[in-house]
Amino acid sequence: EPEVTQTPSHQVTQMGQEVILRCVPISNHLYFYWYRQILGQKVEFLVSFYNNEISEKSEIFDDQFSVERPDGSNFTLKIRSTKLEDSAMYFCASSPPQGGGNSPLHFGNGTRLTVT
Amino acid sequence: QKEVEQDPGPLSVPEGAIVSLNCTYSNSAFQYFMWYRQYSRKGPELLMYTYSSGNKEDGRFTAQVDKSSKYISLFIRDSQPSDSATYLCATNVNAGNMLTFGGGTRLMVKP
Repeated sequence: EPEVTQTPSHQVTQMGQEVILRCVPISNHLYFYWYRQILGQKVEFLVSFYNNEISEKSEIFDDQFSVERPDGSNFTLKIRSTKLEDSAMYFCASSPPQGGGNSPLHFGNGTRLTVT
Repeated sequence: QKEVEQDPGPLSVPEGAIVSLNCTYSNSAFQYFMWYRQYSRKGPELLMYTYSSGNKEDGRFTAQVDKSSKYISLFIRDSQPSDSATYLCATNVNAGNMLTFGGGTRLMVKP
């Protein structure tokens, strides 16, 4: 069964550094998302992306964050200057084209980001 | 008021038991309802997806939605130790796919 893949599985970085989290969504999917889960807390929406632009973003997704689909397969989340509170699991998700964007999301296994 | 609430558990049951997991939500605009299973240090795995009020069955799993009460349930029949995980309910409104998750219920099925 096709799956969303994320790399790396664990990223350790120092406060103030830039990080790029990478995702390969399921190949025929057209909607892409980033969510995060701080340890012990709920899964939270960050951003959705469709047709090469952001379609929706949360308050968490401030100017420190950006997303990009640099080619036909990858989808990236960049955090420009990491803070301690950015430490979390970051999940990429994708959904298929049918349903006008209301199709169920399929998640990757996440990247654990640790900011020291 | 929290938008989607779940009892965090843990809920411990013997193998073979029927499990009932529940969520309540406050926003009547929520239209679509999902149940995800999340194993430790893994991503959420979609189990059930439903739109309308009523029941939807898939194997040992039944999802139930009552929009009038803003209450959703997941029933697991003949529970197995491999069902031990955290179960997340999630919902979204008609516009876009910004899912709102509950905090999850941790289930332990003991052999």
